[in-house]
Amino acid sequence: KQEVTQIPAALSVPEGENLVLNCSFTDSAIYNLQWFRQDPGKGLTSLLLIQSSQREQTSGRLNASLDKSSGRSTLYIAASQPGDSATYLCAVNSGGYQKVTFGTGTKLQVIP
Amino acid sequence: DTAVSQTPKYLVTQMGNDKSIKCEQNLGHDTMYWYKQDSKKFLKIMFSYNNKELIINETVPNRFSPKSPDKAHLNLHINSLELGDSAVYFCASSQDSGGFQEWRGGSGGQYFGPGTRLTVT
Repeated sequence: KQEVTQIPAALSVPEGENLVLNCSFTDSAIYNLQWFRQDPGKGLTSLLLIQSSQREQTSGRLNASLDKSSGRSTLYIAASQPGDSATYLCAVNSGGYQKVTFGTGTKLQVIP
Repeated sequence: DTAVSQTPKYLVTQMGNDKSIKCEQNLGHDTMYWYKQDSKKFLKIMFSYNNKELIINETVPNRFSPKSPDKAHLNLHINSLELGDSAVYFCASSQDSGGFQEWRGGSGGQYFGPGTRLTVT
């Protein structure tokens, strides 16, 4: 059974800092991994999708990496802004029968 | 244009009632899902439908029944609502290639609706 862990559970940083969010998964046989952000009371917005054959994906100030062998993914946010404040979730797709497992999320607060 | 939409956004009802939540996607995706997000913000998949076939039914009570009239819609019916059903329910969709036998589950990633906050009193 796939288990997905995100560390830290919460993070508070001053504006402008670069930061890294971590996602760990127990079963390395995955098809892809997706990073989302969720604003309070809102739905999920997809940030980056990394296929199992890829090492990283970049979108603007965001960079996500994937190391299947070690069961890890990181989301790097450069030059953080207050608008980045949200909960960040990673979702691991690990089955031929669509086994998508979400992590518990990292709640990020960027202080102006 | 809204990619994945859900109605209603909020639903308040009493225990024992039967209710439905509707979901529609205009992305042309062939797989749709329902997720439940509990009070601790943990998201768990409930169902997924691929070409009108139920792919997963996790350990969800049979009071919950997904119904898909066509590829663009996946509605969630809940019978005899209980207090513990209070949560936010999210619909999602994805596109898969290779047919059912080669289905790799959302190879293009999942797109989520805005959620329906269900409160059972």
